[in-house]
Amino acid sequence: DAGITQSPRHKVTETGTPVTLRCHQTENHRYMYWYRQDPGHGLRLIHYSYGVKDTDKGEVSDGYSVSRSKTEDFLLTLESATSSQTSVYFCAISESVVRSNQPQHFGDGTRLSIL
Amino acid sequence: KNQVEQSPQSLIILEGKNCTLQCNYTVSPFSNLRWYKQDTGRGPVSLTIMTFSENTKSNGRYTATLDADTKQSSLHITASQLSDSASYICVVSAMDSNYQLIWGAGTKLIIKP
Repeated sequence: DAGITQSPRHKVTETGTPVTLRCHQTENHRYMYWYRQDPGHGLRLIHYSYGVKDTDKGEVSDGYSVSRSKTEDFLLTLESATSSQTSVYFCAISESVVRSNQPQHFGDGTRLSIL
Repeated sequence: KNQVEQSPQSLIILEGKNCTLQCNYTVSPFSNLRWYKQDTGRGPVSLTIMTFSENTKSNGRYTATLDADTKQSSLHITASQLSDSASYICVVSAMDSNYQLIWGAGTKLIIKP
């Protein structure tokens, strides 16, 4: 298994509070991604990173921000959590862009509930 | 609009039987097609990645096929085992994006003893 650790694995918080999820990799992969997974939907890309301090928005980035100060760590922050952000969040890494034949490797997710 | 649709939504089969899962896509320009397996409570794990020129690719008891003309793919599972119970997700990459994948909603497969 690829060395990807997500923390925390579960979190329950209240509307309006800030939340930070962490993704840590030991594979030295350049590319990192944050997805959310909701019932009935495919995974949706929130933000991605193509290097240290290099990040960009995905298709559902509103209400989320990210930071990558080291190759191995990619943080996802919900500045003021809303109930619509209740979801399972997955971090992924890859050696190359998705147009290549390299797979993305995923962590085991963070289950976030916002009450 | 780029889309990936999978069928059936869910499937129950007996252990030892074979099954085939379907994926239709409308992604253009096409780059590659991936199948992932996702166990309950875990992240997706890559099974196969197929490019335009590949018709068939196997990974153990899993065989994926791709028809780029009709924009269809299938995942065939042979001699199913209880550990095959999972969601299987079809994912397509377009040539005009470095980072965005188009994800299907998955087929939930349950293997009964």
